[in-house]
Amino acid sequence: GQSLEQPSEVTAVEGAIVQINCTYQTSGFYGLSWYQQHDGGAPTFLSYNGLDGLEETGRFSSFLSRSDSYGYLLLQELQMKDSASYFCASAGNKLTFGGGTRVLVKP
Amino acid sequence: SAVISQKPSRDICQRGTSLTIQCQVDSQVTMMFWYRQQPGQSLTLIATANQGSEATYESGFVIDKFPISRPNLTFSTLTVSNMSPEDSSIYLCSVIDPLGGYTFGSGTRLTVV
Repeated sequence: GQSLEQPSEVTAVEGAIVQINCTYQTSGFYGLSWYQQHDGGAPTFLSYNGLDGLEETGRFSSFLSRSDSYGYLLLQELQMKDSASYFCASAGNKLTFGGGTRVLVKP
Repeated sequence: SAVISQKPSRDICQRGTSLTIQCQVDSQVTMMFWYRQQPGQSLTLIATANQGSEATYESGFVIDKFPISRPNLTFSTLTVSNMSPEDSSIYLCSVIDPLGGYTFGSGTRLTVV
């Protein structure tokens, strides 16, 4: 089976940096993905780490350490529009999601 | 990236009835996935639909309750049968995007009364 753990909620102010951690226990693990979901919307793909290390995509970066079964999503220069839920997901023969982290950005 | 059209976007249904949700993809895909997202919760995979074969269901989900059709490589339906209030959720279809990650339909918000 697969399980992914992430914090339920994070609050930060505009311009700040937020790190969302994700620890996982999976079999057949190929990599870690991150998705963003605004209220009422569908999840949208943010990033994928198939190898250890840091992947940077604009203000968002994602990191994976297979030896530690751990990854994180880093949100920099937070904006109000970043208020959303963020899910880590393990990519194997199917996508399994963590519980989600609700990020609230305050002015 | 792939574009998915999902219908209906929302519905309110009486208990004991069935609702069929449709997903149309703008490109041919081998696998389509159906997820359920209960209010305030994460996404749970219901089943994987392959064209020309029976869908593969995850633990806790059965074909009699959630029959799936996959008549071709661009289309799939999920039926929620004999509905009860516990089936009130958002249902989403998804495909693997060749550009990376998975692409999701816009979701069907189902309320059973």
